[in-house]
Amino acid sequence: DAGVIQSPRHEVTEMGQEVTLRCKPISGHNSLFWYRQTMMRGLELLIYFNNNVPIDDSGMPEDRFSAKMPNASFSTLKIQPSEPRDSAVYFCASVPLGQRSGANVLTFGAGSRLTVL
Amino acid sequence: AQSVTQLGSHVSVSEGALVLLRCNYSSSVPPYLFWYVQYPNQGLQLLLKYTSAATLVKGINGFEAEFKKSETSFHLTKPSAHMSDAAEYFCAVSELGGYNKLIFGAGTRLAVHP
Repeated sequence: DAGVIQSPRHEVTEMGQEVTLRCKPISGHNSLFWYRQTMMRGLELLIYFNNNVPIDDSGMPEDRFSAKMPNASFSTLKIQPSEPRDSAVYFCASVPLGQRSGANVLTFGAGSRLTVL
Repeated sequence: AQSVTQLGSHVSVSEGALVLLRCNYSSSVPPYLFWYVQYPNQGLQLLLKYTSAATLVKGINGFEAEFKKSETSFHLTKPSAHMSDAAEYFCAVSELGGYNKLIFGAGTRLAVHP
């Protein structure tokens, strides 16, 4: 298994531009999570999906951020327009079977490092 | 609401010395607890997890952690540090019925010097 695949690994863009981050979860995993990591705020949960349905987006910082999961094998996180304070590493993670047990292990992708100038 | 507190943002040890990274949790229900490690420019990798079975949990790379309900703690230890253990370590909590979402602590950066 190739694990959780994120693209791009690095993105440098200018303020005001649209940014789209992509995630392919592990096959058979149907819960997917987007986290953001910064020095100041650590690891923040932005949004998570179960069976392609958003369950909780209360961590999304503002309306400039949106996330979709059109099918079980693909998710996007979009920022429009981007701002310098959005500079961070964005991680996608998936977990099998969508079980609500709480004991299952999240598998993380390698992250997408975003720099907004 | 659940939360995790990691005491000490930076810990430095000598190679061969004991590693102790502290984690305290807050949860209104019995928690599930995890330790993840992050090497530079990489994602997070599971070290070990507590899911209400044995209170002493053994993980990869010689790490272990003990769940102490009375102290609401889940400290991570390793008897003898190796240079390759230098990384950032995150404690996290989830709960039954929570879709496995993890709430992370702020992290502890471990430095190992010769």
